[in-house]
Amino acid sequence: SQKIEQNSEALNIQEGKTATLTCNYTNYSPAYLQWYRQDPGRGPVFLLLIRENEKEKRKERLKVTFDTTLKQSLFHITASQPADSATYLCALPFSGGYNKLIFGAGTRLAVHP
Amino acid sequence: NAGVTQTPKFQVLKTGQSMTLQCAQDMNHNSMYWYRQDPGMGLRLIYYSASEGTTDKGEVPNGYNVSRLNKREFSLRLESAAPSQTSVYFCASSGRDGSMTEAFFGQGTRLTVV
Repeated sequence: SQKIEQNSEALNIQEGKTATLTCNYTNYSPAYLQWYRQDPGRGPVFLLLIRENEKEKRKERLKVTFDTTLKQSLFHITASQPADSATYLCALPFSGGYNKLIFGAGTRLAVHP
Repeated sequence: NAGVTQTPKFQVLKTGQSMTLQCAQDMNHNSMYWYRQDPGMGLRLIYYSASEGTTDKGEVPNGYNVSRLNKREFSLRLESAAPSQTSVYFCASSGRDGSMTEAFFGQGTRLTVV
């Protein structure tokens, strides 16, 4: 069955540094991958989508890479700020379901001043 | 623009009681979802509706039923609540034209079954 793995340990970094979060998946070749941000007590909010034929996608201080050979996506936040502290989730479409999304458990990021 | 609206926000049930969680979206999306989120487990898909009139099971459908009432509304029913169904439930929608698009989430329903 499909499986998504994100680092369950919180990532603690200093303000101004680059945060890098990892999403690994198995038993599947998705057409795309998405990243979401979730704050405590709130629903996830979409950040970026990257397609299987794209190696890299950028949006302001965010960068996502997608390596279909390694079955891995990396999510980078450059010049991190305390306001970036949140849980970050990756999501993939279910096999056979183009928009049927499954999510990883998420990685909590804490940016310290 | 309300986006995805869930009701209620909080609910406490006794074991064996039934209830329906309501969800409505005003973005003309085709696809709607129900997820549950438990600590350390992330979001798990309960049921999915690709379009009005269709529903499909997700990862954890047991103990739940759904109804896609129309394009806007997708409800989740617990027929006989169990403590294992204590969780935060999120409704989401996506896909104006069926292509790969972002999912928009509601604010969640915090359900406790005692």
